[in-house]
Amino acid sequence: DAGVIQSPRHEVTEMGQEVTLRCKPISGHNSLFWYRQTMMRGLELLIYFNNNVPIDDSGMPEDRFSAKMPNASFSTLKIQPSEPRDSAVYFCASSFKGTGTTDTQYFGPGTRLTVL
Amino acid sequence: GQQVMQIPQYQHVQEGEDFTTYCNSSTTLSNIQWYKQRPGGHPVFLIQLVKSGEVKKQKRLTFQFGEAKKNSSLHITATQTTDVGTYFCAGGANFGNEKLTFGTGTRLTIIP
Repeated sequence: DAGVIQSPRHEVTEMGQEVTLRCKPISGHNSLFWYRQTMMRGLELLIYFNNNVPIDDSGMPEDRFSAKMPNASFSTLKIQPSEPRDSAVYFCASSFKGTGTTDTQYFGPGTRLTVL
Repeated sequence: GQQVMQIPQYQHVQEGEDFTTYCNSSTTLSNIQWYKQRPGGHPVFLIQLVKSGEVKKQKRLTFQFGEAKKNSSLHITATQTTDVGTYFCAGGANFGNEKLTFGTGTRLTIIP
C-alpha cells in the first residue's frame, strides 16, 4: 500500500495568495483528518471527515480555512487568503472507523507551507 | 475542552540510559495511543491502551495506562540512537468518536 499521499510536499507562497493542499487517504479507510503542526502550538486537529462528511471542524482557525472531501479517495484543505502565521506543516491522516473503537491513524508525509 | 499535557518537553540522555515520558489528560479517556515522530518525519503509531491499569511492552518500550484512565507513561530501557524523535500520546474521549487529542510531545535526543 502506498500509504497516505499528500501534495505538494513543500509550498512557498506570498501573503494573500490562495493555497490548496491535497490528500489521498489509504484505500479502504473511511475517516480522514487534517492536522497542523507548529513549534508553538504542537499538533492540532483542524477537521475530520467520516465517509466524506465533515464531522468536527471546531479546530479550523477561521473562515480563511476550508476543507472538502468530494469522494473517498481525495480531500483538499484550502487557505484563502494566506497569511504568514499560517506557516506550518500540515498533515493528513486516515483511519478505518470500526464500531466502538478509536482506530490507528496513519499520517501522510506532510506539506510544509511557508507564507512570506 | 480536553487537554493533554506531556512532561518533560525535552529530554537528553546518554545512549544506554533509560527514558520516561508522562502524559496527563484533563478528562477521563476511553483509550490512549502513542505515536513517534522522527526529526523531519510524520507521526507513526506505536500502540494503543484501552483498559484501566493496562501495561504493554514492545521490546525495550513499556507503556502504561493509569488506573483512573487519565494518565499514561512510556518508558524506554537502554536507549539507542534509533530512539531519537518526539513521542506523542493521544487521548480518545469516547469509543466511536475517532477524534484524538494529541499531547504536547516529548522530544528525545540521544548523546552517543
